[in-house]
Order: sequence, then structure tokens, then C-alpha cells
Amino acid sequence: GESVGLHLPTLSVQEGDNSIINCAYSNSASDYFIWYKQESGKGPQFIIDIRSNMDKRQGQRVTVLLNKTVKHLSLQIAATQPGDSAVYFCAENAHTGNQFYFGTGTSLTVIP
Amino acid sequence: IAGITQAPTSQILAAGRRMTLRCTQDMRHNAMYWYRQDLGLGLRLIHYSNTAGTTGKGEVPDGYSVSRANTDDFPLTLASAVPSQTSVYFCASSDSSRGKNIQYFGAGTRLSVL
Repeated sequence: GESVGLHLPTLSVQEGDNSIINCAYSNSASDYFIWYKQESGKGPQFIIDIRSNMDKRQGQRVTVLLNKTVKHLSLQIAATQPGDSAVYFCAENAHTGNQFYFGTGTSLTVIP
Repeated sequence: IAGITQAPTSQILAAGRRMTLRCTQDMRHNAMYWYRQDLGLGLRLIHYSNTAGTTGKGEVPDGYSVSRANTDDFPLTLASAVPSQTSVYFCASSDSSRGKNIQYFGAGTRLSVL
């Protein structure tokens, strides 16, 4: 999975399979997390968010899991489609200020 | 609704030249941000503004300046460009007054400094 400041992990999945993208965050004071999707040549786009008082949140085909004990976040995409191919970023927001810190991203490729 | 508009979409710039990247939002968001994106380093915050008239430094502010004269506009200026400022620059905005802080991004400006 991704973490701040390192190489870009890659993940390849077959169309129709489920995808799991992982993220390790560093600041135990972070209380709000967002997953973004970035397609080639475009800006990041919001997917789903979660507050630290929750450990799971579901959206349409996506689920975010938060494990505060080990400072780990994951994004699960159900029935992955070719349109899901993109780079996925997690971002953490410490309670102080509006600043977010982004992970380096994970590149997801969906194989038809 | 246009959202976030950035201009130019791309630019080649000679080292030492001054350059302003433009960013405009029409969502009346209070907060705006500038990030640079480099391969293997993700998005790094350059400067931000929590409200019109205020700005703050992010993670990598050196060589950049910003201003926030009104709610909609947040230009980023490189006073004297250097090759290490070659990057893709993203502007974002958010409404941080509602407890959430989802950032909406523009399409980016690809800058090459030669």
C-alpha cells in the first residue's frame, strides 16, 4: 500500500474482481480522511471520506475501512470496471487547520 | 457550474522568468489551495488560504507566493522560475465551514522550466 513520500505502488485486477487499495498514515492526531481518484491528465476527484469516530463507511461500489490502532486506511472497490483504472490517493487531515497530507498514490489497472 | 478553472493548461518557461498561474472558483468556497504533483512524491501543498485576505505556507512554499484578494481568485506566482519548479500544479478549493473539508481540484497546469 501507499505511504507518504515513497514509490508509486501498482495494482492490476481483472474486470469484475474486487480491488483493495491500502494506505498507511503517519499522524495519530489525524481525524478525517479522504480517498481521491485521479485519471490521467485530470485533477484528483473525491470518492469517499471517513471521520476517525468511524471504522467503516460505504458508498456506491466503494467501502473505506479505518484502523486507527495501526494507522491504516483501505479502499475497497467492488466489481472493478475499466473506468476504475486511475491513481488513487488517500489524504489525512489533522484537526488543526485545513491542511491535508496526501499519500504518494496507488496506480490501479483493470484488465478487461 | 465550472467549479475550478486553472490557466494556462500548460506552459514552457525560461529559467529566471516570472510566471503567474491563475485559479478561479465559482463555488464560493472559503478555502483555496495550491499543490504541486511530482512523480513518486504525490501532491504537496505549496500555499493555502482559509479565507479571502489570508494566506498560509504549506509544505513546500519556497520560490512561490500567493494572494487572495477575493473569494474566487487565488493566483500562484513564481518570481524567478528554476528548473526544479517543473511540475504539474493543481489548485483546489473547499468549504471548510461545514465540518467536512472535501477539496475540489482543477484540471492542473503543466509547467516546464528550461
